[in-house]
Amino acid sequence: AQSVTQLDSHVSVSEGTPVLLRCNYSSSYSPSLFWYVQHPNKGLQLLLKYTSAATLVKGINGFEAEFKKSETSFHLTKPSAHMSDAAEYFCVVTLFGSARQLTFGSGTQLTVLP
Amino acid sequence: NAGVTQTPKFRILKIGQSMTLQCAQDMNHNYMYWYRQDPGMGLKLIYYSVGAGITDKGEVPNGYNVSRSTTEDFPLRLELAAPSQTSVYFCASSYGTSDQETQYFGPGTRLLVL
Repeated sequence: AQSVTQLDSHVSVSEGTPVLLRCNYSSSYSPSLFWYVQHPNKGLQLLLKYTSAATLVKGINGFEAEFKKSETSFHLTKPSAHMSDAAEYFCVVTLFGSARQLTFGSGTQLTVLP
Repeated sequence: NAGVTQTPKFRILKIGQSMTLQCAQDMNHNYMYWYRQDPGMGLKLIYYSVGAGITDKGEVPNGYNVSRSTTEDFPLRLELAAPSQTSVYFCASSYGTSDQETQYFGPGTRLLVL
């Protein structure tokens, strides 16, 4: 069985300050992990993915995430928030070998204040 | 490339009515998926398809039907709409189905059943 927990349902930051969106996972096997972003009235867009290569993963728009097996975490970070980063972010875990086993977190709504 | 397209964007149904949600992709992807997203929740898989003529159930298939007669199209059918089916529906596609495959999402269809 697998699960993913996004620890904050809402995060607010000021423009230009760092962003931290937290994700913990549970998986019996070596997981693949993804972060997707959803802008209002849009579909989900892949930000980055971890697939057992480098533990520090760089994604689009300056986001990155670090896979920490000992902490079962895959937190998403960005050094400096931009207004356009305001969106909902989903952490996703999948079992090795089957994308149909995708498990989504409940999402974190990021607000960026001017 | 248009990517993954979905129609309609929004629909109101009365209880007991039926409708088909359309999904098409122009990326020649073998795999297609239907998800639903309820408020404050992550996405849950309804049905998926690994190619034309082949479909299988996901986590929440009850009340829905799918077909896949072509590589491009993957319609989702609601036969007897119920209030519990009020949700946002996302279609996605991927080239493969391994854990490392990125899924590409459409913009979603918002359905309200009254």
